[in-house]
Amino acid sequence: SQQGEEDPQALSIQEGENATMNCSYKTSINNLQWYRQNSGRGLVHLILIRSNEREKHSGRLRVTLDTSKKSSSLLITASRAADTASYFCATPTQRGAQKLVFGQGTRLTINP
Amino acid sequence: EAQVTQNPRYLITVTGKKLTVTCSQNMNHEYMSWYRQDPGLGLRQIYYSMNVEVTDKGDVPEGYKVSRKEKRNFPLILESPSPNQTSLYFCASTRLAVGGNTGELFFGEGSRLTVL
Repeated sequence: SQQGEEDPQALSIQEGENATMNCSYKTSINNLQWYRQNSGRGLVHLILIRSNEREKHSGRLRVTLDTSKKSSSLLITASRAADTASYFCATPTQRGAQKLVFGQGTRLTINP
Repeated sequence: EAQVTQNPRYLITVTGKKLTVTCSQNMNHEYMSWYRQDPGLGLRQIYYSMNVEVTDKGDVPEGYKVSRKEKRNFPLILESPSPNQTSLYFCASTRLAVGGNTGELFFGEGSRLTVL
């Protein structure tokens, strides 16, 4: 019952460049979340955007949400080597907000 | 420090030998959940709990049991592990907002289980 799907699956950029990852989902949602996972570690929450919000910022992160297209994007500006990680979007399922469904993630590599 | 603690972090076991992966959170969260992460399949929810004595199946509950006797603990039990349960397991917790919506999930560091 995969809800969110990230695109691209993998992204490799130079340090200092901006990185953009996209997430598409299938059903109506009340919020969408982005998480980061360093290799083999636990996921860390980055940002939550509600369905009535179009854009949200947190430091070097910018998240947009287009509910008409059922899509979201995560932009990381001025990337650093420490941003190398996998990034996941997560959305609640129709059956209840208590179930968060994760996409398969975008593997981001920042080259020095 | 607010945290979700899982144990063990690494375990190699054999088919059929019962094991328990413990999960404890110190944030007084109502909601707790178990996920497994497999290459190409992403994170899939195994079981979740909305509060003490309230548990429900996720997407892949077969072969697993859980219990929620105390608010802080949510152990994952594999009664008879099989090789297809070899995976990276994560416990997560969060406070439930009004209406039962889940907000930010706090994850443990993961438990890597190998079943031979």
